[in-house]
Amino acid sequence: QQQVKQSPQSLIVQKGGISIINCAYENTAFDYFPWYQQFPGKGPALLIAIRPDVSEKKEGRFTISFNKSAKQFSLHIMDSQPGDSATYFCAASMRGAQAGTALIFGKGTTLSVSS
Amino acid sequence: GAGVSQSPSNKVTEKGKDVELRCDPISGHTALYWYRQSLGQGLEFLIYFQGNSAPDKSGLPSDRFSAERTGGSVSTLTIQRTQQEDSAVYLCASSSRNFAEQFFGPGTRLTVL
Repeated sequence: QQQVKQSPQSLIVQKGGISIINCAYENTAFDYFPWYQQFPGKGPALLIAIRPDVSEKKEGRFTISFNKSAKQFSLHIMDSQPGDSATYFCAASMRGAQAGTALIFGKGTTLSVSS
Repeated sequence: GAGVSQSPSNKVTEKGKDVELRCDPISGHTALYWYRQSLGQGLEFLIYFQGNSAPDKSGLPSDRFSAERTGGSVSTLTIQRTQQEDSAVYLCASSSRNFAEQFFGPGTRLTVL
């Protein structure tokens, strides 16, 4: 119930294309869903996050779509650029959880944007 | 200001040795988390500190793992009698309060030979 399942494991997109990464969860108590971006040798950095009271959040070229009934959320990267090539992690946490707001992470998606 | 820093950046040790990994959180951040990132895996929660409260150790994989946080700031993760399966990148994160954005350090890459 604590798992967050992420797909695909890897993704190759042409420059200018749309990158889509999907995540699914089981625990309906989760109420915070961030996406992190990680470059090699660096720690993850928050990209965008959503709470379940909205179905979509957009920040620049990055959009989270959230489907509460399906317990799924996805990251869309519009006009993908070579600089977007990185590993992306979805995560979830819940207010009041035993471990504070420790994040439960998906296993990551390695995105390569070809020029 | 400075972000989360971790030291050392790389640590190679022999099986059975003890290691200490250090995390300096962002100044003023009351919450501190340790995660482990293994090859091909996501990030796995290990332990959480919030202010002066007792730490939540529910993610520690065995009693060989322990952590402390001194003065509400710097934290040390200790792994005793290291095993090869402990090889991973150990990441520290801090946040200004509960339920706020977590800022990650660059991690310590631990290799157990």
